[in-house]
Amino acid sequence: NAGVTQTPKFQVLKTGQSMTLQCAQDMNHNSMYWYRQDPGMGLRLIYYSASEGTTDKGEVPNGYNVSRLNKREFSLRLESAAPSQTSVYFCASTFWTGGSSGNIQYFGAGTRLSVL
Amino acid sequence: TQLLEQSPQFLSIQEGENLTVYCNSSSVFSSLQWYRQEPGEGPVLLVTVVTGGEVKKLKRLTFQFGDARKDSSLHITAAQPGDTGLYLCAGAEKKSNTGKLIFGQGTTLQVKP
Repeated sequence: NAGVTQTPKFQVLKTGQSMTLQCAQDMNHNSMYWYRQDPGMGLRLIYYSASEGTTDKGEVPNGYNVSRLNKREFSLRLESAAPSQTSVYFCASTFWTGGSSGNIQYFGAGTRLSVL
Repeated sequence: TQLLEQSPQFLSIQEGENLTVYCNSSSVFSSLQWYRQEPGEGPVLLVTVVTGGEVKKLKRLTFQFGDARKDSSLHITAAQPGDTGLYLCAGAEKKSNTGKLIFGQGTTLQVKP
């Protein structure tokens, strides 16, 4: 089982360049998430998609856009990269049933992005 | 905004020692999860605690959810070098209809042989 697949694994950009981070899951999950991870700050939610066809802002959405292309794929776009966007980006997915027991989020291996 | 404060942020111990990591909030969560992350990988779920006062054990790891569902702890007995990694707590928002999780800052654990 592939689980959650993120591409690329590494990327170096110059300030002002654009790029799209790709994420695909093969677990038939309905909800997908994009996080960034910076030292000492844990995981911060950028955008999420609770179900196919919907997207919403998370804690740190500025400078990013997302597209839920279909149930499997959720992409994150940086239109004009800035050094402050240097980070490790993680995509996650879950099958959200609306219960109170909490949902297990499955993570990809991450994309390490440097903006010079 | 619900926040989770984890402590300590960094812990370096010798093999065989015991340790406890804390995860605290002023907010109530419907459940709390603990994840472990190894270098170059994404976080992987260790456990979910749902009921206030709940205790779960996973081999040498003991997880507890506070009675008021505002805090949690992870205790490792006789730590091994294989326990080295980043430990993250994450709370499920009480009235969420999105499945969102709030993550703590993480605790980096180094267990030296």
